[in-house]
Amino acid sequence: GEDVEQSLFLSVREGDSSVINCTYTDSSSTYLYWYKQEPGAGLQLLTYIFSNMDMKQDQRLTVLLNKKDKHLSLRIADTQTGDSAIYFCAESNLETGRRALTFGSGTRLQVQP
Amino acid sequence: EAGVTQFPSHSVIEKGQTVTLRCDPISGHDNLYWYRRVMGKEIKFLLHFVKESKQDESGMPNNRFLAERTGGTYSTLKVQPAELEDSGVYFCASSQVSSGHYEQYFGPGTRLTVT
Repeated sequence: GEDVEQSLFLSVREGDSSVINCTYTDSSSTYLYWYKQEPGAGLQLLTYIFSNMDMKQDQRLTVLLNKKDKHLSLRIADTQTGDSAIYFCAESNLETGRRALTFGSGTRLQVQP
Repeated sequence: EAGVTQFPSHSVIEKGQTVTLRCDPISGHDNLYWYRRVMGKEIKFLLHFVKESKQDESGMPNNRFLAERTGGTYSTLKVQPAELEDSGVYFCASSQVSSGHYEQYFGPGTRLTVT
């Protein structure tokens, strides 16, 4: 079955880069997502990447995908205090036809001023 | 355009009682999903509606949970009777087809506490 794992906590200083890591087990064609949850708010989709891509960049966000190791990372450049949140990695398997997302446990990013 | 809304934002009930959670998806979204996050663990899928039909209910934990989406608009998730392990945050999401994948828009969640 599908499984997604993340480290639980990351602390960085404002202005530094943050790298949040995720591993997954599904080897099928899949979309991989990064969601952000701020306190009291819902999940906000930050970016996604299809499993046949290696990298995707969107402003301060860079997603890297290592298909061989089934490793996904989210890099946030010039991290700001407003980036403090929980970041969830998720995947959806296109081949099964299911639309359900499989999430990791979330990584809490703390940005220190 | 309004996002996904959920009601209530918090609910505290005693074990054995009944609770009904409501989700209003984004207008025009045919797909509606329920997920829950228990005790800081991963967010787990519960079920997926396409309009008023249950497309996938493989994540429903047991028959104490009943989801409905009459008329294909808002959805309710009823827990009866509630148990302690049902405590957690229940998220609703909705989607339409977009660029070959279904981007899911999430509501703020309902925090359920069973005492």
